[in-house]
Amino acid sequence: AQSVTQLDSQVPVFEEAPVELRCNYSSSVSVYLFWYVQYPNQGLQLLLKYLSGSTLVKGINGFEAEFNKSQTSFHLRKPSVHISDTAEYFCAVSAEYNFNKFYFGSGTKLNVKP
Amino acid sequence: GAGVSQSPRYKVAKRGQDVALRCDPISGHVSLFWYQQALGQGPEFLTYFQNEAQLDKSGLPSDRFFAERPEGSVSTLKIQRTQQEDSAVYLCASSSKRQGTPNTEAFFGQGTRLTVV
Repeated sequence: AQSVTQLDSQVPVFEEAPVELRCNYSSSVSVYLFWYVQYPNQGLQLLLKYLSGSTLVKGINGFEAEFNKSQTSFHLRKPSVHISDTAEYFCAVSAEYNFNKFYFGSGTKLNVKP
Repeated sequence: GAGVSQSPRYKVAKRGQDVALRCDPISGHVSLFWYQQALGQGPEFLTYFQNEAQLDKSGLPSDRFFAERPEGSVSTLKIQRTQQEDSAVYLCASSSKRQGTPNTEAFFGQGTRLTVV
């Protein structure tokens, strides 16, 4: 089975500062990796995904993530955050043979302060 | 609308009551998923449909949980004899392609928040 660890439950950051949200995964098979964002009272929205190829993945809203197989990590970064980025962010993994059956982390709440 | 629609958005049930949660996927989407999101946790997989066939129900926590998609479109998640531990947000997602086909995106609904009192 697969599992995801998001060590930071909350990350406070000032507007226009850089941010990194950490994600580590565990799996005995090849996986696909995802980051989703959830705004209050909303469903999950896909930010970006890694399927294969370049380990640096760019997503929407200026976010990017880097897949590091040796460290089993998929950290999410943004060089300059906005107030509107305040939300909860979920890292997820799925096995290559079972795409879209996600195993989610417990989430990181990003709180952008003015 | 063009997105995944779930109803009701909020449901309060008395312990022991049966509830039914509805999911209208994006038109034409083959795959449909149900997830349970407890407070402060990430979503957890419950079950998966490909058209009307329930191909994976390994995440259903007990035999009180039942899901169906009889015509391959709308799906209903039913919980019998609700318990307090069933309180959670229930998320539905749909995808245009079959399970196992990469490079597809699952679109999530806003969820139904179930509170069992």
